[in-house]
This record gives sequence, C-alpha cells and structure tokens, in this order.
Amino acid sequence: GDSVTQMEGPVTLSEEAFLTINCTYTATGYPSLFWYVQYPGEGLQLLLKATKADDKGSNKGFEATYRKETTSFHLEKGSVQVSDSAVYFCALIGNTPLVFGKGTRLSVIA
Amino acid sequence: GAGVSQSPSNKVTEKGKDVELRCDPISGHTALYWYRQSLGQGLEFLIYFQGNSAPDKSGLPSDRFSAERTGGSVSTLTIQRTQQEDSAVYLCASSLLGPDTEAFFGQGTRLTVV
Repeated sequence: GDSVTQMEGPVTLSEEAFLTINCTYTATGYPSLFWYVQYPGEGLQLLLKATKADDKGSNKGFEATYRKETTSFHLEKGSVQVSDSAVYFCALIGNTPLVFGKGTRLSVIA
Repeated sequence: GAGVSQSPSNKVTEKGKDVELRCDPISGHTALYWYRQSLGQGLEFLIYFQGNSAPDKSGLPSDRFSAERTGGSVSTLTIQRTQQEDSAVYLCASSLLGPDTEAFFGQGTRLTVV
C-alpha cells in the first residue's frame, strides 16, 4: 500500500539556520502530498500541501515541492525561529486514506 | 462546535476492561479518521469512514478494536479487553471528501492501561 518515509529526528538547529526535512513516498497513481505540524501542547494542523507534480506548497516561510521523478516532498525553510519547534509529519492521500510518516521533531535554540 | 471534539481527554483503565472513546467531527465533514499516536511510532492509521461507504478498517490492530459512526456524525472507538500496549494517544480527524482536502484533528484522548 501507499506509504511515507521521512527522516528520523530529532533535529536541533540554531535560530536562523536553514532547515530541510526529507520525505519520500511510495504510491500508485498520483497522490496528494501534505505536511502537518504539531506544536507543543497543540493538535495537528495542516502546514502546506501540493496536489500534483511540480506544485509548490508554501506557508509561514516553509516550502515543499512535489517531485514525481524522485517521489519526494522535502520540507524547507530558509531561516528557522524558536517558534518553529514542533513535530513535523509528511503525509499523503492516494489509493489509501490519509497516511502519515513517523514524524520529525525539530528543536530550534536561540 | 468549531472544531473536532474528543472525549474524554484522558482515560486511565485497568487491564482487561473495555473503553469507549468518542469523536464529534466538524459539522458537514463526511470523512472521519481514527489514528493512534505512540511515542516514537508516529501516527498509526486505524480506521476511515467515508460518507455512506463501508469503512476502511485495514488499520485496526486486532479484533479487540472496533469503531462505528452513527448518523454520519459522531464516532465511537471501542477497545475491548484492554492491554498495556494499547496505551497511547488516540486521535480523531474529520474532513470534507476529496483527495486534497485538509484534515482537522481533535486534541486526542490519552489512554493509559494499568
């Protein structure tokens, strides 16, 4: 079945550092791809999405591009802030219901 | 309500007891998901209700787990004869139908089996 693999955490960065969290997927057909974020003490919420190849999702300074040729949807941010500390989940909807990766915990230190 | 509501927020139960977890989705959302979140295990898909179609139960870990959705709205996840390995946060989400729609999550029920 469809699945998502994302880089293991935790990831610790200094404020203003560049962030990449890798995500690759396995799916038949053309899935929609998502990044969800879980801030401390809060519920999961959608960060960004892309529904077709070469689409770029963006929100709050984060970006991810749907790359069909590499089956990837890596999350990037040019300059992280302490407030970005959270757990990030890559997900897809394809021939299966919404499927998530294991999550990557990001800690940003001042 | 404005969001997905889950109850109880915390539940401590003795091994072997049955528990029921409730989810009130956003009004008008025809899709409803249950997930289990364990430390270090990410989000484990359990079951998916899509409108009037038969639910996708492929993620239920054993026959001790069941779920129903009454009237296309409220859903109940039941765990029979609970085991310690069932301890986790159980998350419910709802969405409109469609492959690119946003899922809205509740705060979860933290289940502890002692």
